[in-house]
Amino acid sequence: DTEVTQTPKHLVMGMTNKKSLKCEQHMGHRAMYWYKQKAKKPPELMFVYSYEKLSINESVPSRFSPECPNSSLLNLHLHALQPEDSALYLCASSQGAGTYEQYFGPGTRLTVT
Amino acid sequence: AQSVAQPEDQVNVAEGNPLTVKCTYSVSGNPYLFWYVQYPNRGLQFLLKYITGDNLVKGSYGFEAEFNKSQTSFHLKKPSALVSDSALYFCAVRTLSGTYKYIFGTGTRLKVLA
Repeated sequence: DTEVTQTPKHLVMGMTNKKSLKCEQHMGHRAMYWYKQKAKKPPELMFVYSYEKLSINESVPSRFSPECPNSSLLNLHLHALQPEDSALYLCASSQGAGTYEQYFGPGTRLTVT
Repeated sequence: AQSVAQPEDQVNVAEGNPLTVKCTYSVSGNPYLFWYVQYPNRGLQFLLKYITGDNLVKGSYGFEAEFNKSQTSFHLKKPSALVSDSALYFCAVRTLSGTYKYIFGTGTRLKVLA
């Protein structure tokens, strides 16, 4: 199974809402990532978890809160978002760093109204 | 500063013709180079990578890429394009064995015309 799944596929939320994005992989990968991607732009790294510990936080605003409950699951908790946070949010996983490629999920299309 | 450049925003090619999507890099140290493809409203799919060894790397869906150290390039190629190859292509590089971060290129939209 070389699949990364993400739910929901689409999410519309108001600026006062709290919602969560979910990501799952069953490839035994020990690194998991959150990216934000705007239209026709490359993905921007937000967070990296390595062995279930937060390894990288790319100075992401605190209204985004990641969580890694176990080695297969990655969540992104959203609160008090701004319209400019509307984007495609991609989850990815890899066996490790360096030479290992990443496997991406299909993404969650987030719209903040 | 380390960077990756994809000089063409869009490449158009007729179906059945060979295609090339260009990527050049500027990094210190040995580069680990990757190509990904993204179809509309989908995540990125890994195509191929160069780590070391043979300069010609073969990947998924008939794609290959040639690593050229003297020209600091890693162009993606395919001998015969398909309409279904139309997508957004990203080149990416890592420079350290322990790093999780990519430096992504800006992406090249490939349009294969029937």
